[in-house]
Order: sequence, then structure tokens, then C-alpha cells
Amino acid sequence: DAGVIQSPRHEVTEMGQEVTLRCKPISGHDYLFWYRQTMMRGLELLIYFNNNVPIDDSGMPEDRFSAKMPNASFSTLKIQPSEPRDSAVYFCASSGVAGEGTGELFFGEGSRLTVL
Amino acid sequence: DAKTTQPPSMDCAEGRAANLPCNHSTISGNEYVYWYRQIHSQGPQYIIHGLKNNETNEMASLIITEDRKSSTLILPHATLRDTAVYYCIARASGSARQLTFGSGTQLTVLP
Repeated sequence: DAGVIQSPRHEVTEMGQEVTLRCKPISGHDYLFWYRQTMMRGLELLIYFNNNVPIDDSGMPEDRFSAKMPNASFSTLKIQPSEPRDSAVYFCASSGVAGEGTGELFFGEGSRLTVL
Repeated sequence: DAKTTQPPSMDCAEGRAANLPCNHSTISGNEYVYWYRQIHSQGPQYIIHGLKNNETNEMASLIITEDRKSSTLILPHATLRDTAVYYCIARASGSARQLTFGSGTQLTVLP
């Protein structure tokens, strides 16, 4: 299996532009997570899906952020309009149904976003 | 999920065992202890998890004290590639699958 695939790996954009980050989870996994990592705040959970349905989006910073999962093999995280403080590494992770307590999350390599 | 406390940084000589402690004094009976690590510029990677028994896999061993208030992750023969931030996380069974990461321990393996 190729693992969790994220694109783009690097994105540099200007303030006010729309940014779309993409994620392909591991086939068969029914949980998908979006995390953001900054030096100041560490790894923060933004939102997660179960069976393509958003379960908890309480970590989404504000209305400028939106996430979708139109099918089991694809998710997007969109920022519109982007701001310099959105600069971070965004990680996508997936997890399968493997019984209580297993809880292993598989992370992608991340998308490094720089907003100028 | 219970709060975990880890030292911010540790050094270890290459080839020696690295023992990374984690305090989780408020852990409840249904909370597992998970360990992940993050090598620079990569996504976090699962290492091991346990409830109350000691666990071992090809990467590491996890020792959980009898009262479950603390645990130690052991890398038996640390290599330079084990230099990473190590996260200890407590998560309840039956809860949603998200993991809350703290600040972790930066382990530096020295040649």
C-alpha cells in the first residue's frame, strides 16, 4: 500500500489566495483526520471524518477553513482567503476499523504551506 | 483523555538503550498509552501502545508501571535514525479515534 498520499508537498501563495490541500487515505480506512503543525502550537487536530461524514470540526480555526470528503478515497482542506498566520504543515492521517484500542493513525508526509 | 507529561529533551549514545519516560498520573482504567514519533519534516509514526501489560514489538518496548501512572518507552539499541520527537498519548477505548499530541520529547542520538 502506498500509504496516505498528500498533495501538494509544498505550496507558496500570497495572502488572499485560495489554497486547496488534498489527501488520499489508505484504502479501506474509514477514519480521516486533518492536523496542522506549527512551532508555536504543535500538532493540532482540525477535523476528522468517519465514513466520509465530518464528526468533529471544533478544531477548524474559522470560517475561512473548510474540509470535504466526497468519497472514501479523497478529501480536501480548503483555505479561502489565506492569511500569513495559516502558514504551517498540514497533515492528513487515516485509520481503519481494527477493534477497540488499536487507534493507530497513519500519517501522510504533510503539505507545507507558506502564505506571503 | 488524561494529560501526559514528558521531558522536553533527552540525549542518548548510539548503540545504547534509550529510555523515554512519560507521566500520566490521572490516567483512567480504560485509557491506553500510545507512543508516536516524528522524524524531522515527516508525519508522525506509530510505535507501540499498551493498556497495563508490558508490550514489545520490532521497534520498541513499552513498560507500564503497575499503578499505570507512568510508562517508559525503550529503544533497545538507538541509532542516529531514531533522532526524533517522541509523543506519549493517553486515549480512552471507545472514544473517537482522534489523538491529542502534546509537546513530546526531543530525543537526540549522539554518535
